[in-house]
Amino acid sequence: DAKTTQPPSMDCAEGRAANLPCNHSTISGNEYVYWYRQIHSQGPQYIIHGLKNNETNEMASLIITEDRKSSTLILPHATLRDTAVYYCIVRAYSGGGADGLTFGKGTHLIIQP
Amino acid sequence: NAGVTQTPKFQVLKTGQSMTLQCAQDMNHNSMYWYRQDPGMGLRLIYYSASEGTTDKGEVPNGYNVSRLNKREFSLRLESAAPSQTSVYFCASSAPGRFNEKLFFGSGTQLSVL
Repeated sequence: DAKTTQPPSMDCAEGRAANLPCNHSTISGNEYVYWYRQIHSQGPQYIIHGLKNNETNEMASLIITEDRKSSTLILPHATLRDTAVYYCIVRAYSGGGADGLTFGKGTHLIIQP
Repeated sequence: NAGVTQTPKFQVLKTGQSMTLQCAQDMNHNSMYWYRQDPGMGLRLIYYSASEGTTDKGEVPNGYNVSRLNKREFSLRLESAAPSQTSVYFCASSAPGRFNEKLFFGSGTQLSVL
């Protein structure tokens, strides 16, 4: 799996868009980008994933650059409840043979009132 | 629909004691996982079970054993607890096929070994 680099922490004002960057310059053509978040003392929560097209769901948007070497997770209107550690994970589709995900240290996003 | 349920939520053990952490999911998922998380660190995979009847070691399996009791349940056993096993333990599950990487996590078990 390709290595990812994320800033250790970020601040964002409540109500503004939170843009979380992730660098994955060694990503391979068959590797997806996954985002999870972990609110304090809870289990991680899946947010979104994508291969090369931008993706949007009810939680967030994922923008992947054309060369796929970096991506940005966007929380369009951040609330205090979005304060969490956000993990960017790059992983090839396992072909049905699940063997888990590798979580790094992520970005601690703090939403300021 | 409870998702992934872990018991207990908190546990204190003395060095050398044994215990089993229980995990059950009601989403009919094939794959289940056990992770540990130490302060300031990411999650590390202990063991996983890709399907009922199979288990495999993850990144940090030493000191642990697992049992995939049936499709719903996946337990983690500490035979002789050590202070280095003080951690928060998370169980997770995932659906078969192309959704294997979409994991659903339980709320965790906070374990202290004195």
